Formats: sequence, structure tokens, C-alpha cells
Amino acid sequence: GAGVSQSPSNKVTEKGKDVELRCDPISGHTALYWYRQSLGQGLEFLIYFQGNSAPDKSGLPSDRFSAERTGGSVSTLTIQRTQQEDSAVYLCASSSRTQETQYFGPGTRLLVL
Amino acid sequence: AQSVTQLDSQVPVFEEAPVELRCNYSSSVSVYLFWYVQYPNQGLQLLLKYLSGSTLVESINGFEAEFNKSQTSFHLRKPSVHISDTAEYFCAVGVYNQGGKLIFGQGTELSVKP
Repeated sequence: GAGVSQSPSNKVTEKGKDVELRCDPISGHTALYWYRQSLGQGLEFLIYFQGNSAPDKSGLPSDRFSAERTGGSVSTLTIQRTQQEDSAVYLCASSSRTQETQYFGPGTRLLVL
Repeated sequence: AQSVTQLDSQVPVFEEAPVELRCNYSSSVSVYLFWYVQYPNQGLQLLLKYLSGSTLVESINGFEAEFNKSQTSFHLRKPSVHISDTAEYFCAVGVYNQGGKLIFGQGTELSVKP
């Protein structure tokens, strides 16, 4: 079956603009995660959705970052007023349930000029 | 708070030599652990995992890792590496009853030379 998909694969934006990154998880997976991979910081957890529970937003680096998950499936990560330090690869993952294997998408490479 | 340390950022090794990539974690509660691999220009792929049960886990391509609770380690080993094993390897820890987020190590770049 299809894996986790993300779009766009690459995004170049200007400082101060807003961006939206999309994630389509594996069908039937109830848990969805966003991570960020950047040079010098490794892989950082951002946010986690599990079913209808309130999301765990503890990894979001600032209030410029937000995410939503509509209908328990597709998720959108929004970064407002982008800064150069937001440049990174944003990875989405999904799992059949909490504490099971997380399957990662190919990522969105964001470059803020 | 939990943390994961991968002691070696780069490990160069010759083909057919054995290799060990080290991973230590810090947690006062029960954990589960993964090793993920990222081949050049590709996404993260699961290599192996420990959730419970036998502390020695194996992958289909000859890697193994042993969960050592007393030493809080989950080192990855392979007795004989191939050129195709060249990749970056990430150790990750999750904590039971604390949601599903994973804490990743900084990664170890394995470079296999002929």
C-alpha cells in the first residue's frame, strides 16, 4: 500500500512569508507525528496527533508554528512569518497506534531566504 | 526528561569488517527503542526495534541490537558490513505512557570503504 506522502517536496520562501506543509499518513493509521531535521539540531519532535485526543504540542519551537489534522487523516503544518532558522527538512510520520513503528514520509525541504 | 546519545558522529570502516554503533539513553521510566537508517538522498527507514520481550533484536539485513537496561544502551552491531550499508543511522527512544513522540540521537554516519 501507499506510504506516507508529503507535499511539496521542496519549498523556497522569503523571510516573513507564511508556509503550509501537507502530510498524508498511511490509511488507517491513527497516530501522526511531525519532526524537523536540521543541521546541528538533528531530528526534533514537533507535534503528535492520536485519534480524537488533544495533540501533544510540546515540541513546537514558537507560536509561529501550528498544525491541524482534519478528519483524522491529512495534516497541515503551518509556519507563520518564516525566519531563516526555520530552514530544515520537515518530516511527517504515522503509526497504527501509539508506541508502534513510525513510518516516515520523504519530507519537505524548506529554505527561507 | 529523556535524552539519547550517539557517541560517534562518524564511523569509517572497511568492507567485511565488523561494526558497532553506540547508543545510550537517559530515562527513569520504561522505554522502547528503534534504530532508523537514512540512505543518501532517501527518507528514514526502520531498521529494527525493541518494544518488549527478548532483549536481542535482529534486522533482515544482518544488523542486531541488544537492549541493556542496566547500562541504558541499545548498541547496533553487524559482524560484516557491505558498501551498501553506507548511510546515517539514528537511535530513537520512546517512553511508555507518555504519548508516542520519539527522542532521536544526533545520528552516526557509517561510511564503508572498499
